Amino acid sequence: KAGVTQTPRYLIKTRGQQVTLSCSPISGHRSVSWYQQTPGQGLQFLFEYFSETQRNKGNFPGRFSGRQFSNSRSEMNVSTLELGDSALYLCASSPLSGLNQPQHFGDGTRLSIL
Amino acid sequence: DQQVKQNSPSLSVQEGRISILNCDYTNSMFDYFLWYKKYPAEGPTFLISISSIKDKNEDGRFTVFLNKSAKHLSLHIVPSQPGDSAVYFCAPHAGGTSYGKLTFGQGTILTVHP
Repeated sequence: KAGVTQTPRYLIKTRGQQVTLSCSPISGHRSVSWYQQTPGQGLQFLFEYFSETQRNKGNFPGRFSGRQFSNSRSEMNVSTLELGDSALYLCASSPLSGLNQPQHFGDGTRLSIL
Repeated sequence: DQQVKQNSPSLSVQEGRISILNCDYTNSMFDYFLWYKKYPAEGPTFLISISSIKDKNEDGRFTVFLNKSAKHLSLHIVPSQPGDSAVYFCAPHAGGTSYGKLTFGQGTILTVHP
C-alpha cells in the first residue's frame, strides 16, 4: 500500500512569490492535515480537510490556504512568501478524523525562501 | 502556551537496555495520545497510541503508559536497539471539533549505543 506522497520534495523561492504544495493521501484516507515544522516552533498544525471541506485551522495568517479535491488529494498554497516561511511542510492522512485513528505522514516538502 | 512538553531534549541508552521517554501535557481535553518517531529527512512515523480510557498499551517492544491525573505519559522501549535512534514526538489529540489537529511536543532525541 503506497504511503502519503508529497511533491515536490524541495523548493526554493524568493520573498513575495507564492507556492503550491501537493499531497496525495493513502488510498481510502479521506482526512488530510498539514503541518509546518521549523527549528524554533517545532511541528505546528496548519489545517485539516475532509470531504473537500476545511474543518479545522491552526493559528497561521491568511496567506496560508489549502484545498482538497474529490479524490482526497490536497494542496496548500502560501502567498507573498516571507523568509520565516522557510520550513518543512508535512502532510498527514487518516481514514476518518475524530475517531481515534493515527495520522500517517509523508516525507514533506522542504521550502527555502531566499 | 506550550500544551505538550517533552522536558528531556535528549536521551542516551545502551543497546539492550530500557529507554523511557516522557511527555507532560496541560490540556485536559486531550483524549487520544500518539507517539511518533522521526528520522532526518523523513516524515514522522506512527509508533503507538493510547486512548484516555486506558492506562497502558503495548505493541511489541513499545509500551505507552498514561497517567491522566498527573497529565503524564511515557513511552518504554525494551530492549532498545541502535535502529531506534531517532527523534521521538508525543502528539496528543483533543476530542470534539479539534479535527485532524495533533499538538506535538518538542521531541526527544534518542541515541542507542551498540
